[in-house]
Amino acid sequence: SQQGEEDPQALSIQEGENATMNCSYKTSINNLQWYRQNSGRGLVHLILIRSNEREKHSGRLRVTLDTSKKSSSLLITASRAADTASYFCATDSGANSKLTFGKGITLSVRP
Amino acid sequence: DGGITQSPKYLFRKEGQNVTLSCEQNLNHDAMYWYRQDPGQGLRLIYYSQIVNDFQKGDIAEGYSVSREKKESFPLTVTSAQKNPTAFYLCASSIARGTQPQHFGDGTRLSIL
Repeated sequence: SQQGEEDPQALSIQEGENATMNCSYKTSINNLQWYRQNSGRGLVHLILIRSNEREKHSGRLRVTLDTSKKSSSLLITASRAADTASYFCATDSGANSKLTFGKGITLSVRP
Repeated sequence: DGGITQSPKYLFRKEGQNVTLSCEQNLNHDAMYWYRQDPGQGLRLIYYSQIVNDFQKGDIAEGYSVSREKKESFPLTVTSAQKNPTAFYLCASSIARGTQPQHFGDGTRLSIL
Protein backbone atom coordinates (compact mmCIF):
# COMPACT_ATOMS: atom_id res chain seq x y z
CA SER A 1 0.00 0.00 0.00
CA GLN A 2 1.32 3.45 -0.89
CA GLN A 3 1.67 5.77 2.09
CA GLY A 4 3.90 8.60 0.90
CA GLU A 5 3.19 10.32 -2.39
CA GLU A 6 5.76 12.71 -3.80
CA ASP A 7 5.09 15.82 -5.84
CA PRO A 8 6.04 16.72 -8.51
CA GLN A 9 6.80 13.46 -10.31
CA ALA A 10 9.63 15.09 -12.24
CA LEU A 11 11.58 18.30 -11.78
CA SER A 12 14.14 19.91 -14.07
CA ILE A 13 16.21 22.88 -12.88
CA GLN A 14 19.40 24.75 -13.69
CA GLU A 15 22.53 24.22 -11.67
CA GLY A 16 22.63 26.67 -8.77
CA GLU A 17 18.86 26.85 -8.38
CA ASN A 18 17.00 25.42 -5.40
CA ALA A 19 14.90 22.24 -5.73
CA THR A 20 11.81 21.69 -3.61
CA MET A 21 10.12 18.31 -3.43
CA ASN A 22 6.98 17.48 -1.48
CA CYS A 23 5.64 14.33 0.13
CA SER A 24 2.16 13.72 1.48
CA TYR A 25 1.04 10.74 3.54
CA LYS A 26 -2.21 9.36 4.89
CA THR A 27 -1.78 7.92 8.39
CA SER A 28 0.09 9.05 11.50
CA ILE A 29 3.81 8.36 11.48
CA ASN A 30 6.74 7.77 13.85
CA ASN A 31 9.17 9.39 11.44
CA LEU A 32 9.63 10.31 7.80
CA GLN A 33 12.81 9.66 5.83
CA TRP A 34 14.15 10.90 2.52
CA TYR A 35 16.35 8.75 0.27
CA ARG A 36 18.20 9.36 -2.99
CA GLN A 37 18.68 6.80 -5.77
CA ASN A 38 21.12 7.23 -8.63
CA SER A 39 20.25 5.36 -11.80
CA GLY A 40 20.77 1.61 -11.45
CA ARG A 41 21.98 1.87 -7.84
CA GLY A 42 20.60 1.29 -4.38
CA LEU A 43 19.01 3.94 -2.20
CA VAL A 44 21.06 6.21 0.00
CA HIS A 45 19.59 7.59 3.22
CA LEU A 46 19.61 11.41 3.30
CA ILE A 47 17.76 12.56 6.39
CA LEU A 48 15.26 11.40 9.01
CA ILE A 49 12.76 13.67 10.74
CA ARG A 50 10.76 12.46 13.72
CA SER A 51 7.09 13.19 14.23
CA ASN A 52 7.83 15.67 17.04
CA GLU A 53 10.30 17.67 14.90
CA ARG A 54 9.34 20.41 12.47
CA GLU A 55 12.58 21.10 10.61
CA LYS A 56 16.00 19.53 10.13
CA HIS A 57 19.09 20.54 8.22
CA SER A 58 21.95 18.52 6.80
CA GLY A 59 24.43 20.37 4.61
CA ARG A 60 22.49 21.72 1.60
CA LEU A 61 19.38 19.76 2.61
CA ARG A 62 16.47 21.15 4.59
CA VAL A 63 13.50 19.00 5.52
CA THR A 64 10.26 20.21 7.06
CA LEU A 65 7.42 18.18 8.52
CA ASP A 66 3.85 19.34 9.08
CA THR A 67 1.98 16.56 10.87
CA SER A 68 -1.29 18.52 10.85
CA LYS A 69 -1.21 18.55 7.03
CA LYS A 70 0.49 15.14 6.83
CA SER A 71 3.15 16.50 4.54
CA SER A 72 6.90 17.00 4.29
CA SER A 73 9.16 18.92 1.97
CA LEU A 74 12.78 18.42 0.97
CA LEU A 75 14.72 21.49 -0.15
CA ILE A 76 18.08 21.14 -1.88
CA THR A 77 19.81 24.49 -2.05
CA ALA A 78 22.36 25.55 -4.68
CA SER A 79 21.79 22.39 -6.71
CA ARG A 80 24.60 20.66 -8.59
CA ALA A 81 24.59 18.34 -11.60
CA ALA A 82 25.57 15.55 -9.20
CA ASP A 83 22.21 15.97 -7.43
CA THR A 84 20.52 14.46 -10.51
CA ALA A 85 18.76 11.37 -9.14
CA SER A 86 15.41 10.03 -7.96
CA TYR A 87 14.28 11.08 -4.49
CA PHE A 88 11.94 9.02 -2.33
CA CYS A 89 10.12 9.75 0.88
CA ALA A 90 9.44 6.85 3.21
CA THR A 91 7.21 6.77 6.25
CA ASP A 92 7.54 4.66 9.37
CA SER A 93 4.14 4.28 10.96
CA GLY A 94 3.88 0.78 12.37
CA ALA A 95 5.04 -1.13 15.42
CA ASN A 96 7.37 -3.21 13.24
CA SER A 97 8.94 -0.04 11.82
CA LYS A 98 8.43 -1.11 8.25
CA LEU A 99 9.07 1.70 5.82
CA THR A 100 6.51 2.54 3.16
CA PHE A 101 8.00 4.27 0.12
CA GLY A 102 6.45 6.68 -2.34
CA LYS A 103 6.94 6.40 -6.11
CA GLY A 104 9.73 8.94 -6.17
CA ILE A 105 10.60 12.25 -7.83
CA THR A 106 13.04 12.40 -10.73
CA LEU A 107 15.27 15.44 -10.38
CA SER A 108 17.38 16.62 -13.32
CA VAL A 109 19.91 19.37 -12.71
CA ARG A 110 21.17 20.93 -15.95
CA PRO A 111 24.80 22.11 -15.96
CA ASP B 1 34.41 -0.58 4.70
CA GLY B 2 31.08 -1.81 6.03
CA GLY B 3 28.21 -2.27 3.67
CA ILE B 4 25.72 -4.52 1.94
CA THR B 5 26.74 -6.69 -1.00
CA GLN B 6 24.19 -8.03 -3.42
CA SER B 7 25.05 -10.58 -6.07
CA PRO B 8 24.80 -11.12 -8.91
CA LYS B 9 24.20 -7.67 -10.41
CA TYR B 10 22.27 -9.20 -13.34
CA LEU B 11 20.40 -12.50 -13.34
CA PHE B 12 18.37 -14.30 -15.96
CA ARG B 13 15.69 -16.85 -15.19
CA LYS B 14 14.27 -19.50 -17.45
CA GLU B 15 10.62 -20.47 -17.26
CA GLY B 16 9.92 -22.84 -14.37
CA GLN B 17 13.24 -22.16 -12.70
CA ASN B 18 13.94 -21.02 -9.15
CA VAL B 19 16.72 -18.48 -8.69
CA THR B 20 18.39 -17.21 -5.53
CA LEU B 21 19.60 -13.66 -4.97
CA SER B 22 22.36 -13.17 -2.45
CA CYS B 23 22.52 -10.42 0.19
CA GLU B 24 25.38 -10.14 2.70
CA GLN B 25 26.04 -7.36 5.22
CA ASN B 26 28.98 -6.67 7.49
CA LEU B 27 27.33 -3.81 9.40
CA ASN B 28 26.34 -6.04 12.33
CA HIS B 29 22.70 -5.08 11.73
CA ASP B 30 19.92 -7.20 13.20
CA ALA B 31 17.18 -6.30 10.71
CA MET B 32 17.25 -7.08 6.99
CA TYR B 33 14.74 -6.44 4.21
CA TRP B 34 14.00 -7.38 0.60
CA TYR B 35 12.25 -4.93 -1.74
CA ARG B 36 11.08 -5.12 -5.31
CA GLN B 37 11.24 -2.02 -7.56
CA ASP B 38 9.40 -1.83 -10.88
CA PRO B 39 10.00 1.01 -13.38
CA GLY B 40 8.50 4.29 -12.20
CA GLN B 41 7.38 2.71 -8.95
CA GLY B 42 8.39 2.95 -5.36
CA LEU B 43 9.79 0.06 -3.38
CA ARG B 44 7.48 -2.72 -2.27
CA LEU B 45 8.42 -4.92 0.68
CA ILE B 46 8.72 -8.64 -0.03
CA TYR B 47 10.07 -10.07 3.25
CA TYR B 48 11.84 -8.76 6.32
CA SER B 49 13.74 -10.28 9.23
CA GLN B 50 14.22 -8.69 12.63
CA ILE B 51 16.55 -11.35 13.98
CA VAL B 52 18.29 -14.58 13.01
CA ASN B 53 15.97 -17.54 12.34
CA ASP B 54 12.92 -15.29 12.15
CA PHE B 55 11.29 -13.52 9.19
CA GLN B 56 7.91 -12.10 8.21
CA LYS B 57 6.04 -11.62 4.97
CA GLY B 58 5.83 -8.14 3.55
CA ASP B 59 3.25 -6.76 1.16
CA ILE B 60 4.09 -8.94 -1.87
CA ALA B 61 5.53 -12.22 -0.52
CA GLU B 62 3.71 -14.61 -2.89
CA GLY B 63 6.15 -16.48 -5.15
CA TYR B 64 9.17 -15.63 -2.97
CA SER B 65 10.95 -17.35 -0.08
CA VAL B 66 13.76 -16.33 2.28
CA SER B 67 15.95 -17.75 5.03
CA ARG B 68 17.94 -16.10 7.83
CA GLU B 69 20.34 -18.70 9.18
CA LYS B 70 23.13 -16.20 9.82
CA LYS B 71 23.01 -12.58 10.94
CA GLU B 72 25.05 -11.49 7.93
CA SER B 73 23.04 -13.23 5.23
CA PHE B 74 19.45 -12.95 3.95
CA PRO B 75 19.07 -14.73 0.58
CA LEU B 76 15.91 -14.36 -1.48
CA THR B 77 14.61 -17.16 -3.71
CA VAL B 78 12.34 -16.21 -6.59
CA THR B 79 10.31 -19.34 -7.25
CA SER B 80 8.60 -20.48 -10.42
CA ALA B 81 5.32 -19.49 -8.75
CA GLN B 82 6.25 -15.82 -9.21
CA LYS B 83 4.78 -15.23 -12.66
CA ASN B 84 6.13 -11.73 -13.20
CA PRO B 85 9.61 -11.73 -11.66
CA THR B 86 11.26 -9.16 -13.95
CA ALA B 87 12.25 -6.31 -11.64
CA PHE B 88 15.06 -4.65 -9.72
CA TYR B 89 15.53 -6.30 -6.31
CA LEU B 90 17.01 -4.34 -3.42
CA CYS B 91 18.24 -5.67 -0.09
CA ALA B 92 18.53 -3.40 2.94
CA SER B 93 19.48 -3.59 6.59
CA SER B 94 19.02 -1.49 9.72
CA ILE B 95 20.58 -1.55 13.18
CA ALA B 96 17.60 -3.10 14.90
CA ARG B 97 13.87 -3.12 15.05
CA GLY B 98 12.91 0.47 15.66
CA THR B 99 13.12 3.87 14.10
CA GLN B 100 16.30 3.57 12.08
CA PRO B 101 17.52 4.49 8.62
CA GLN B 102 17.99 1.61 6.21
CA HIS B 103 21.21 0.90 4.33
CA PHE B 104 20.82 -0.52 0.83
CA GLY B 105 22.82 -2.73 -1.48
CA ASP B 106 23.20 -1.87 -5.16
CA GLY B 107 20.54 -4.27 -6.31
CA THR B 108 20.08 -7.27 -8.60
CA ARG B 109 18.27 -6.89 -11.90
CA LEU B 110 16.32 -10.05 -12.72
CA SER B 111 15.04 -10.74 -16.22
CA ILE B 112 13.20 -13.62 -17.88
CA LEU B 113 14.87 -15.50 -20.74
